[in-house]
Amino acid sequence: EAGVAQSPRYKIIEKRQSVAFWCNPISGHATLYWYQQILGQGPKLLIQFQNNGVVDDSQLPKDRFSAERLKGVDSTLKIQPAKLEDSAVYLCASSLGVGRENEKLFFGSGTQLSVL
Amino acid sequence: GDSVTQMEGPVTLSEEAFLTINCTYTATGYPSLFWYVQYPGEGLQLLLKATKADDKGSNKGFEATYRKETTSFHLEKGSVQVSDSAVYFCALKRNTGGFKTIFGAGTRLFVKA
Repeated sequence: EAGVAQSPRYKIIEKRQSVAFWCNPISGHATLYWYQQILGQGPKLLIQFQNNGVVDDSQLPKDRFSAERLKGVDSTLKIQPAKLEDSAVYLCASSLGVGRENEKLFFGSGTQLSVL
Repeated sequence: GDSVTQMEGPVTLSEEAFLTINCTYTATGYPSLFWYVQYPGEGLQLLLKATKADDKGSNKGFEATYRKETTSFHLEKGSVQVSDSAVYFCALKRNTGGFKTIFGAGTRLFVKA
């Protein structure tokens, strides 16, 4: 079974530039998550999709971050313009659903973003 | 709001030592509780879970018991190996109103041969 695919693996940009990350979840997984993991901290949920609808984006900085999930499958996360404090690993995860029997998260390898 | 607090690391142990990593949580209702592990160079993966009070999750010799009365989910292993060196994350997921999974800060474990 193919895992969660993310690209790129690494990205270095200057502040005020824009950047986009891509995620392809495990086939059949209805729920997709984007997490931000700053060095030395645990993952922080940015946005959660159920199929192609947003379930939770309460911690997404909407003035600079945006995300979409096309046709309920792939997803992109964009930052525009980037700030120094956006330097982090951006993790994509998916799960079959949100019920107790489907709640296991499967993570991709992440995109490490450095903003200079 | 909901939160997870786990002991700070790093934790350094010798092989075959006993491991405990403390985790406490704050949440309304009956969340599901998890331990995820991140081995060097790999992505996060589920280690074990428990979904209701007094449940014990177990995997690869690791155990954790859902303690509602103390709002805790401590991770234990009787005899650690060098291959257990990793970062361990405690997490909770609410089962009403949102269903999002919240992670603790992580605890890095080093096991010496």
